[in-house]
Amino acid sequence: AQRVTQPEKLLSVFKGAPVELKCNYSYSGSPELFWYVQYSRQRLQLLLRHISRESIKGFTADLNKGETSFHLKKPFAQEEDSAMYYCALSPAGGTSYGKLTFGQGTILTVHP
Amino acid sequence: DAGVTQSPTHLIKTRGQQVTLRCSPKSGHDTVSWYQQALGQGPQFIFQYYEEEERQRGNFPDRFSGHQFPNYSSELNVNALLLGDSALYLCASSSYGNTIYFGEGSWLTVV
Repeated sequence: AQRVTQPEKLLSVFKGAPVELKCNYSYSGSPELFWYVQYSRQRLQLLLRHISRESIKGFTADLNKGETSFHLKKPFAQEEDSAMYYCALSPAGGTSYGKLTFGQGTILTVHP
Repeated sequence: DAGVTQSPTHLIKTRGQQVTLRCSPKSGHDTVSWYQQALGQGPQFIFQYYEEEERQRGNFPDRFSGHQFPNYSSELNVNALLLGDSALYLCASSSYGNTIYFGEGSWLTVV
């Protein structure tokens, strides 16, 4: 079974501070991990996909298979980063790809 | 490219009624998935359509059914509506294992 856990429902930081949003997962095979973000009044959009290994808007995430974690990090938070963040998992490749399992989300608030 | 479009944006139904929600995928995408997002929860996978066939299904009862048309657009049907079906219904599209894009969703309220 696929399971994604985001332990923090709310996270508050001040502008310029580092931020880390935690994500742990359980899956028996090789998963693909994603971070999706939803800004106020906007649709869910992809922030990061672990296989692309890109840094988007200053965010990075490393897949730790030993700890089954995929934490999202940014060294200096900006006010425009305030949003709802979802960690998600999909089976990798083939016909099973795209069945996303989401965590419950973390609301990040960056204070000025 | 308008991206993934869904209709209607909001609707209210009575318990026991049936509802149909519609989705047009992003241009070039052939795979459509549907998700239910209850208030305060992450989206939950309902099912996925590819080549007009249901390819994967989540843990939802048979009251939830769907269809994909030759132009890749899709419908989600829910029969015998329950109060607990009140949620945001999201459509997502993709192709060949690439980025999955979401629509803005359809808000369903069952009274």
